[in-house]
Amino acid sequence: SQQGEEDPQALSIQEGENATMNCSYKTSINNLQWYRQNSGRGLVHLILIRSNEREKHSGRLRVTLDTSKKSSSLLITASRAADTASYFCATDARDSNYQLIWGAGTKLIIKP
Amino acid sequence: GAVVSQHPSRVICKSGTSVKIECRSLDFQATTMFWYRQFPKQSLMLMATSNEGSKATYEQGVEKDKFLINHASLTLSTLTVTSAHPEDSSFYICSARTVINQPQHFGDGTRLSIL
Repeated sequence: SQQGEEDPQALSIQEGENATMNCSYKTSINNLQWYRQNSGRGLVHLILIRSNEREKHSGRLRVTLDTSKKSSSLLITASRAADTASYFCATDARDSNYQLIWGAGTKLIIKP
Repeated sequence: GAVVSQHPSRVICKSGTSVKIECRSLDFQATTMFWYRQFPKQSLMLMATSNEGSKATYEQGVEKDKFLINHASLTLSTLTVTSAHPEDSSFYICSARTVINQPQHFGDGTRLSIL
């Protein structure tokens, strides 16, 4: 089942620019995770941010979490053509029996 | 680390055929494995959750007699699509997890096409 909404649904930017994707959810969570999916492939885990954390970095990725607004954002800085993919957020919560609840995804296209 | 191998990557077969998809965790023990279905340009739809040594828990609307799941060991789960029909054509993805509150690790998916 899906509880998350992501925006934008699609994003097309020039290489070198920053890309920001947003995710909203509905219930209390233990953590929120971001994944990347290249076309026709499985998903790759990017970052996990716990409910008591507000910001997390990994290389060119920065994730923020605002539990009061039930939202998260993923920022990719200095984008590269290889960042072209779909990005999904997923929430992990005891109420969902620790199954991931997935957002609809954002398709990111980086133009060279 | 945390590699999940899924085979086959692509299957094309005739209607009525049963198809088995394997999901293996190569370098860790997966207490829980998940099977998803993904339609074009959509998010993941959870089909079932399986824990090693116990029966799979199916999501509402997923026919357990149609989609047989076996999680015989801590490193292997299989999904068998029985008597597949064209409407079963889809992208099937497995994932594995060691403990709760940790990320899932995904296989590369199986593209199933039923003629």
